[in-house]
Formats: sequence, C-alpha cells, structure tokens
Amino acid sequence: DTAVSQTPKYLVTQMGNDKSIKCEQNLGHDTMYWYKQDSKKFLKIMFSYNNKELIINETVPNRFSPKSPDKAHLNLHINSLELGDSAVYFCASSQTPQTVEAFFGQGTRLTVV
Amino acid sequence: DAKTTQPPSMDCAEGRAANLPCNHSTISGNEYVYWYRQIHSQGPQYIIHGLKNNETNEMASLIITEDRKSSTLILPHATLRDTAVYYCIVLKSADYKLSFGAGTTVTVRA
Repeated sequence: DTAVSQTPKYLVTQMGNDKSIKCEQNLGHDTMYWYKQDSKKFLKIMFSYNNKELIINETVPNRFSPKSPDKAHLNLHINSLELGDSAVYFCASSQTPQTVEAFFGQGTRLTVV
Repeated sequence: DAKTTQPPSMDCAEGRAANLPCNHSTISGNEYVYWYRQIHSQGPQYIIHGLKNNETNEMASLIITEDRKSSTLILPHATLRDTAVYYCIVLKSADYKLSFGAGTTVTVRA
C-alpha cells in the first residue's frame, strides 16, 4: 500500500487551463502539505493543513487553492495556469505539524505549454 | 533559518561507508539538523535528524560537531540504491517548513 499517493503522476496542459492534483494518505496523519520543486530541484513549501485547517500558506498566488475534505486528503486546484507553474508538485504528510519525519508522495510533474 | 553548505557531488564505492559533510556555521541553539534524500523521480525521503548528540537509525548515522557548526551523515555500507541527492536542512522543530537547496548528488559505483 502506498502511504502517500497523488494523482496524476504527469500532467501536460495549456496556459489558461484549470487543473487539479489529488493527494491521499493512509498513515492516519493529522498534517498534510503541498510542496513545489522547480527545475533547479529547489523544494519549497506551499501549504500545510492540520486536521483540515490551513496552517501554512507561503505567499502562494491565489490561483492555487488547496482543499482538504478530510484529514486524509489534500487536493490542489490551480486556476489559469501559467508557464511558470511548470514544476513537480509533491504532497506530503506528517503525524503533527511539529513532527520531524514527513512522508512524501511520488510527485506530479506539471508541464504548462 | 540557518543556511547550509554541502559539496555538490561525491562518489562512493559500493559496500564502503559514505561520509556526507554539511556546514551550518550560523545554526542557532534551537535549530535541528535534518537529512533527507531524493532518489531520481521519487519524492524526498526522511533519513535522520539531531540536535546536539550523535544519532543512529537503521538507515544512517549523524555526527554533529561539539560546536554544532557542521555535521556528517554516514551511510555505513552504501549500496547502488543509495544513489540519490542528499539534503542537509537546519530549522526549528516548531517551524516545520522544509526547503531544499542544491544538496549533494551521491553516486554509488559498483
């Protein structure tokens, strides 16, 4: 069983489209995250949710809207996609917001053309 | 958060120990040293963390100098599957916002 699974693995779309990435964790963790890894492999946090409540929003454009229907799911919806949104997006989870060990999904490679 | 400096790359022979250095000279007293790695086309994987004392788990050992300005991650018996980019991160435990820089690309050779 995959601990943190995200779909799709690859996403190619045109500028201006709206797309969603889904994430689910079966670890029973309270906290979930979205990270963005750019072409230089730098990884930065975007959002963090704890028990469905937003606790971190790292000045991400409001075209990005996370949604957590329950604490096992954290989806990422992106409106009006831009070329600069092309990156690998990782979902992750941890037991609590202060837990050191985070478990990451396999990533979604988003390419905007 | 304190910045870290790692060598861009290193090679290691299979079966030998791999020693990965990290400098964090501006680390403050309440900041931990974390290590993650990222195997090609996979998500990052937690390895180990420490504050002051040396730590060991089933994956690796972490040696932190007494002044805490540098640390070394030790993979005791490197295998080909340990080929990955290794990231040394320093941050407060209450401010758990991971961010990765360039890391060290470790290539384990047969």
